[in-house]
Amino acid sequence: LAKTTQPISMDSYEGQEVNITCSHNNIATNDYITWYQQFPSQGPRFIIQGYKTKVTNEVASLFIPADRKSSTLSLPRVSLSDTAVYYCLVGDWGTGGFKTIFGAGTRLFVKA
Amino acid sequence: DAGVIQSPRHEVTEMGQEVTLRCKPISGHDYLFWYRQTMMRGLELLIYFNNNVPIDDSGMPEDRFSAKMPNASFSTLKIQPSEPRDSAVYFCASSLTGLGNQPQHFGDGTRLSIL
Repeated sequence: LAKTTQPISMDSYEGQEVNITCSHNNIATNDYITWYQQFPSQGPRFIIQGYKTKVTNEVASLFIPADRKSSTLSLPRVSLSDTAVYYCLVGDWGTGGFKTIFGAGTRLFVKA
Repeated sequence: DAGVIQSPRHEVTEMGQEVTLRCKPISGHDYLFWYRQTMMRGLELLIYFNNNVPIDDSGMPEDRFSAKMPNASFSTLKIQPSEPRDSAVYFCASSLTGLGNQPQHFGDGTRLSIL
């Protein structure tokens, strides 16, 4: 199963760009890289997903190098409401099965 | 459009009692997942269904846990008998397909406390 490694926590200030990098050295050919955000007392919420190169949506950008062994979630101009836990997931098919593994995530704290 | 709906939001019960958690997935989604989240172990996948059929229950901690999906719009996770170590937040999620590029949509969870 593909395993991900992320920093446990990060601090930032309002208005700054935040980059969270995730390592997934054992990523498989069919795997997609997906990022979720979780606020207290809520379920994880999908942010962005990619397979290779760069993906951008209204919330974030995702940078994936050619070897796909890591990815970086970029949050432009964060606000206090971006304080949350961010999970990097790599879809792992296995044999005839489907599993995604949530790691410990990165706890982002945005300060005023 | 309605997301994944879980009930109850909170459940407090005494050890030994039966607990039933409920989930209504997003209409049209073929996959349903049950997760458990604790501070110590993070978010763990317990079981998932495809078209109402359990596919992988290897994450279910023990025989006290059971899950059913009698139809496409309803699933239950049952714990009998419950124990204090079962205290956690239980999430249900659904996805359109099982493909790696289909994100899972989570409910807001059931916070379970076993006294």
